[in-house]
Amino acid sequence: SQELEQSPQSLIVQEGKNLTINCTSSKTLYGLYWYKQKYGEGLIFLMMLQKGGEEKSHEKITAKLDEKKQQSSLHITASQPSHAGIYLCGAVRGDKIIFGKGTRLHILP
Amino acid sequence: IAGITQAPTSQILAAGRRMTLRCTQDMRHNAMYWYRQDLGLGLRLIHYSNTAGTTGKGEVPDGYSVSRANTDDFPLTLASAVPSQTSVYFCASPGLAGESSTDTQYFGPGTRLTVL
Repeated sequence: SQELEQSPQSLIVQEGKNLTINCTSSKTLYGLYWYKQKYGEGLIFLMMLQKGGEEKSHEKITAKLDEKKQQSSLHITASQPSHAGIYLCGAVRGDKIIFGKGTRLHILP
Repeated sequence: IAGITQAPTSQILAAGRRMTLRCTQDMRHNAMYWYRQDLGLGLRLIHYSNTAGTTGKGEVPDGYSVSRANTDDFPLTLASAVPSQTSVYFCASPGLAGESSTDTQYFGPGTRLTVL
């Protein structure tokens, strides 16, 4: 959806390096999901953020929702080959949940 | 593991044929969604349901219909398939913030549909 812009569209990172993926909304985010999809497979839930300034971590992945609740960032520390895939952010829009187009992450060994 | 199942896993269909994609959840969630995923376009919402007995249109509803007779099942029907409906279809039922878990499959495994 154009309402959710993810950047970058794709990312190539050397194994062991840190990286950040951004999700920007044109409207206030009342709930923001982060999912990961391995190529050709289904989507895996990472975390959900609701409160401005909220930050959650899962293993080496940390996501934060900014105070204004219009942008979320997902940060991976010391990237590993297992982190490769497509990362999607999804936003609650009333009765619906819409997604950005995703960020393709490649990890170089 | 609690979550969502979809069937079939994949299907090749002749244009003009009717097809129903099945989706079942065992989490007792009220909300369920159908998305299609296409290269370069991401996940696009087709239809959704907030609770049994109600449905709503998403971003790309044309050519598709859904029903929600009970909490667990949310089938998606293509009345007369067209080649542009070739896609990967995902059924989803994301949890609320307090109940979301990395151990739960909130998205089904997907159905790869090819319409010839």
